[in-house]
Formats: sequence, C-alpha cells, structure tokens
Amino acid sequence: KNEVEQSPQNLTAQEGEFITINCSYSVGISALHWLQQHPGGGIVSLFMLSSGKKKHGRLIATINIQEKHSSLHITASHPRDSAVYICAVIGGTGNQFYFGTGTSLTVIP
Amino acid sequence: DADVTQTPRNRITKTGKRIMLECSQTKGHDRMYWYRQDPGLGLRLIYYSFDVKDINKGEISDGYSVSRQAQAKFSLSLESAIPNQTALYFCATRSSPPGELFFGEGSRLTVL
Repeated sequence: KNEVEQSPQNLTAQEGEFITINCSYSVGISALHWLQQHPGGGIVSLFMLSSGKKKHGRLIATINIQEKHSSLHITASHPRDSAVYICAVIGGTGNQFYFGTGTSLTVIP
Repeated sequence: DADVTQTPRNRITKTGKRIMLECSQTKGHDRMYWYRQDPGLGLRLIYYSFDVKDINKGEISDGYSVSRQAQAKFSLSLESAIPNQTALYFCATRSSPPGELFFGEGSRLTVL
C-alpha cells in the first residue's frame, strides 16, 4: 500500500515545454515536500507547502488539501531540469514521512 | 561546505563485514534520519532521532543499528552486511516543525 502515488513515473519532454508532475496521497498531512534528485544521487528540497501555491523561478508547486493532491509545474523546461522529482508528505503528527517513488524527467534539447 | 555530510560516499564490502556510515550536519537541527533508496522504491526509513537521547526504529530497521554521538552526528551501522543491503543510503536533517528536509549526498553501499 503506497500512501503517496506519483504520476507519471517517467516523462520525456522537449526543451521549452511546460511540464506537470502529479502527486496524490491518502494520509492526513501537515505538509508536503517536492524534492529533486539529480543523477549522482544528491537530493535537494524544492518546496515545502501546506496550502495554496509556491513559486521559485520556473518551478511552481500547488496543493489541494481537500483533494489530497499536489502538482509540480516546470515552465520553459531545460535539459538541466532532467532529474527525478520526489513527492514526500509529512503525516499529521509531524513525525512520519511518506515518499513517492519519484518521476524521472528527461528534457531533450 | 555541505550542510549535511555523509562518509563514505561509496563503499564496496563483503558479506559479513561490519560497516559504518557516518553523517554530520551543520544546521543545528535536532531531528536526524537515515533512509535507504532502492531502484523502483521510495525512500524507506531505517532509523530516526529527535535528539541525542532519542532513537527510534523506522520501517526497515532489522540488520541496522544507529548511534547519535552528538546533536550534529548520527551514524548508521550494519553489523554483518548482506547483499540485499546493497543500496543508496541517505542521511537527512530537519528542524522542529514545520522544518524543511536537508539531505546528504548519499552513500552508495555495495555488499558482495
């Protein structure tokens, strides 16, 4: 049983395309993270959000608490955006993280 | 310097050997975590610690132990490594809620 489901699992896009990655979860949460993992392994946090929308450069993250759904959008995608994007939620008590299996994005020049 | 440093970054060892992966952080965070990542699976929690005197098992703690030597240091040990412990291991820290997660660069362990 996966508490966090991401779609799609794999995504290939042409440079410049608008990209959307989706995350659905089944548990009550206190916050949701979007993480980025580049080839070579390191993981960085892109966003932490508990409501509404956040924007950082070309990246936008939204969350709908009622629908238990979040999206990560990348505008004007670039080959350097190629990475695995991971959705993680923090359970309502704040002590338990649940991770999606990730979306592998490849942006072709 | 990285906020969260893991050593070693890569290690190849043999079945039955004892292995220690070390993690240190400069964020001053109380909460530290060890995760393992396998292809096709999400990050899975091995152990976590909310302060020096607090150690908790995660979902896959069997075969692993940890030590929180100081607020900044959290080590993961494999007492007798086996091949299915071959994986990428991550240390992470987090400030008290609603803190962000900060990950180390990962330690790739291969058990032959």
